Amino acid sequence: VQLLESGGGLVQPGGSLRLSCAASGFTFDKHVMSWVRQAPGKGLEWVSVISGSGGMTEYADSVKGRFTISRDNSKTTLYVQMNSLRVEDTAVYYCAKVAASDTYYFDYWGQGILVTVSS
Amino acid sequence: AVQLTQSPSSLSASLGDRVTLTCRASQGISSALAWYQQKPGNPPKLLIYGASTLESGVPSRFSGSRSGTDFTLTISRLQPEDFATYYCQQFNTFPLTFGGGTKVEI
Repeated sequence: VQLLESGGGLVQPGGSLRLSCAASGFTFDKHVMSWVRQAPGKGLEWVSVISGSGGMTEYADSVKGRFTISRDNSKTTLYVQMNSLRVEDTAVYYCAKVAASDTYYFDYWGQGILVTVSS
Repeated sequence: AVQLTQSPSSLSASLGDRVTLTCRASQGISSALAWYQQKPGNPPKLLIYGASTLESGVPSRFSGSRSGTDFTLTISRLQPEDFATYYCQQFNTFPLTFGGGTKVEI
């Protein structure tokens, strides 16, 4: 299993960014996928989750209405569109694979990508 | 949202020690709890799920248990590679939540 995030970088407050996570080594469309973030020096914070078909999504309150999770199963890629970014969204963003159906813990993680929101 | 309180926030231990980390849920979550280990600059690694099931490939010195809404991760004999930060995560209800972490130091 490999999960490779891309798309991070520096963005001004109020700006937008789209992160991608290229997945391989497993049957992508059979697995729920998620984004988890970690602010510098802080703990882990769950961001969002999407079902294998893309028909179900859930968000943390802190990002609801600003972030949109999606997936392209033909490209085995997970995305998160982040709009109206705030300084407090600065974090390493991890793409994570949910282990099994009807569970929401993570058995594989990407290496993470840094998003910095600053003027 | 379910709050997970981990204690202690940090601890100092020696090689070969037995250490116990605690995670308390603010409400019932059944056994829908996982433990992760994270080392600096690396993503978390799954250790235990379902409160007490050891993930494949994880050494048997790690074990997990549950008593009501209290969960424990025990490392029976600390090894050099075990010095890290440990997080619990509940997956009983959305939003998914993590504990604040316990840093295990030498």
